[in-house]
Amino acid sequence: DTGVSQDPRHKITKRGQNVTFRCDPISEHNRLYWYRQTLGQGPEFLTYFQNEAQLEKSRLLSDRFSAERPKGSFSTLEIQRTEQGDSAMYLCASSLDLLLAGGAYSYNEQFFGPGTRLTVL
Amino acid sequence: AQSVTQLDSQVPVFEEAPVELRCNYSSSVSVYLFWYVQYPNQGLQLLLKYLSGSTLVKGINGFEAEFNKSQTSFHLRKPSVHISDTAEYFCAVSDQGGSNYKLTFGKGTLLTVNP
Repeated sequence: DTGVSQDPRHKITKRGQNVTFRCDPISEHNRLYWYRQTLGQGPEFLTYFQNEAQLEKSRLLSDRFSAERPKGSFSTLEIQRTEQGDSAMYLCASSLDLLLAGGAYSYNEQFFGPGTRLTVL
Repeated sequence: AQSVTQLDSQVPVFEEAPVELRCNYSSSVSVYLFWYVQYPNQGLQLLLKYLSGSTLVKGINGFEAEFNKSQTSFHLRKPSVHISDTAEYFCAVSDQGGSNYKLTFGKGTLLTVNP
């Protein structure tokens, strides 16, 4: 178990450019979350996947943002036409949630990656 | 909707002193409660969690927290801090009855332990 990894760790880009981040969850974790953390704030939920299905998106996730998780393994988060307000730390987390009888999912700890720090100039 | 308020943005203490980091939450449904720690340039690490049962929860590194439902609080305490406890601490909640378990975080408390 090597933990959640994220790549790159740092990204500096110019306004208007597109950027893509990658998250590799803990092997066999079926849930994957993306959060955004701006300076002086706590992380805010962006979106999450159950296997390859994207089940919820925050209103923070404008149409310039897109996330994918092909094959239910790694995930990518793309930001198109970056703006200075996109500068933040982007955190990925994964968990192994088990489907219980009755259709509910059990809670399990979310393990966080080190984050990708994006700076938009 | 849920919200979390961390009452102190910064808490400076001396080494070996006790510390309490305060957290209040608001929610229309029952919640799970968490404390995470973030060291510089690192991701979040879970310190402890309250899911059910005893309202006094013990976590890693000697931290503990007490859930108070009537006061909607979940304060974090440590009887004697070390220099290595210097970090940002986040309180978070998650909807118990939800299916996504997304976390709602407070703004964080920077704990600085001085020699």
